[in-house]
Amino acid sequence: DAGVTQSPTHLIKTRGQQVTLRCSPKSGHDTVSWYQQALGQGPQFIFQYYEEEERQRGNFPDRFSGHQFPNYSSELNVNALLLGDSALYLCASSTDRGNEQFFGPGTRLTVL
Amino acid sequence: EDQVTQSPEALRLQEGESSSLNCSYTVSGLRGLFWYRQDPGKGPEFLFTLYSAGEEKEKERLKATLTKKESFLHITAPKPEDSATYLCAVFTSGTYKYIFGTGTRLKVLA
Repeated sequence: DAGVTQSPTHLIKTRGQQVTLRCSPKSGHDTVSWYQQALGQGPQFIFQYYEEEERQRGNFPDRFSGHQFPNYSSELNVNALLLGDSALYLCASSTDRGNEQFFGPGTRLTVL
Repeated sequence: EDQVTQSPEALRLQEGESSSLNCSYTVSGLRGLFWYRQDPGKGPEFLFTLYSAGEEKEKERLKATLTKKESFLHITAPKPEDSATYLCAVFTSGTYKYIFGTGTRLKVLA
């Protein structure tokens, strides 16, 4: 049983560029959440998708947007990248909000 | 405002030296409290879910407990492979969001 997968593993971009990160949830999971984790900090909630809709959103600007596909996989898009967007981006899946989440290995984004 | 605080920030133990990590929370309606282990550069690994005060869960050398204001992760006779960052998170019925603490970095010395 495959767990949560994310791609790419690492990514280097320059300021002002746009990036798309991808996530496939654990088999049987229909809810996907995205987090940003800066070095030495806990994960910060970006948003959650369920039934292809954004169900909940954290305190992140509109530059951060997402999408969920019918097969429950998800994308995170970040526009107009800033240096401060450099972080580990984590995807987590669950069977419903409020249940335990299972995390992918993350995508390390570096903005130069 | 919903808040999760973990202490200590860092902890060094000798192999076999038992200790406890603390996660205190102030939230509007706790629906679940979760413990995760995170190795450097990797995604968090799920350990436990606790739902109500008085509940306890165990897994190998780890035991998690929950009260109305805090949770403890007890580590009994730790080994070097237990070295990691331990994260606590809560899910609140007030905001329907997961809120993470900043973690406790545990180092177990052989």
